[in-house]
Amino acid sequence: AQSVAQPEDQVNVAEGNPLTVKCTYSVSGNPYLFWYVQYPNRGLQFLLKYITGDNLVKGSYGFEAEFNKSQTSFHLKKPSALVSDSALYFCAVRDRPANFNKFYFGSGTKLNVKP
Amino acid sequence: SQTIHQWPATLVQPVGSPLSLECTVEGTSNPNLYWYRQAAGRGLQLLFYSVGIGQISSEVPQNLSASRPQDRQFILSSKKLLLSDSGFYLCAWSVILTGQTGELFFGEGSRLTVL
Repeated sequence: AQSVAQPEDQVNVAEGNPLTVKCTYSVSGNPYLFWYVQYPNRGLQFLLKYITGDNLVKGSYGFEAEFNKSQTSFHLKKPSALVSDSALYFCAVRDRPANFNKFYFGSGTKLNVKP
Repeated sequence: SQTIHQWPATLVQPVGSPLSLECTVEGTSNPNLYWYRQAAGRGLQLLFYSVGIGQISSEVPQNLSASRPQDRQFILSSKKLLLSDSGFYLCAWSVILTGQTGELFFGEGSRLTVL
């Protein structure tokens, strides 16, 4: 069965420090991987995706993610956190090619950036 | 550019009353459409998805139903609401084109409170 795990319910980081939000996945074959961000009472916004190629993917708002096939991980990173980065972050995986219409989301990680 | 509209944004309904949430997408054709529910501000539960007019796939047995009367319209309904139907409902769309990953794009959500 396909699944995505975000092992941390919450991550606390001081403004200006680097941040990492962890994600591991379990799928058959090579997946498409995504990160989304959700601000309170809003829909999810797409941040970045990994399809193939370079293991380091750059996305919106200065975020990047590192794909590690051997560890089946896709951790979200940012070199210097901002208070405005505080939000709920979701990792997701999409099957390919079978069940291509299905996305599997992690349980979410709340990021708190303190000034 | 593509946009997604979802309404109403907020809804308070008594137990046993009917429900209708509507979602429309503009600027694209033949999208895949999805309804998710988010409980307690956390994980996303896929309720329904549709790959075309009149085609609905249900992921979880629910007190809910979905319909797609037009290409870019997706409706979530219930004949009799339960307390457990309370939550944040998110509509999303994706388009799968050759060479593209078809990431999900979300609406702003509808918060339903059943009393």
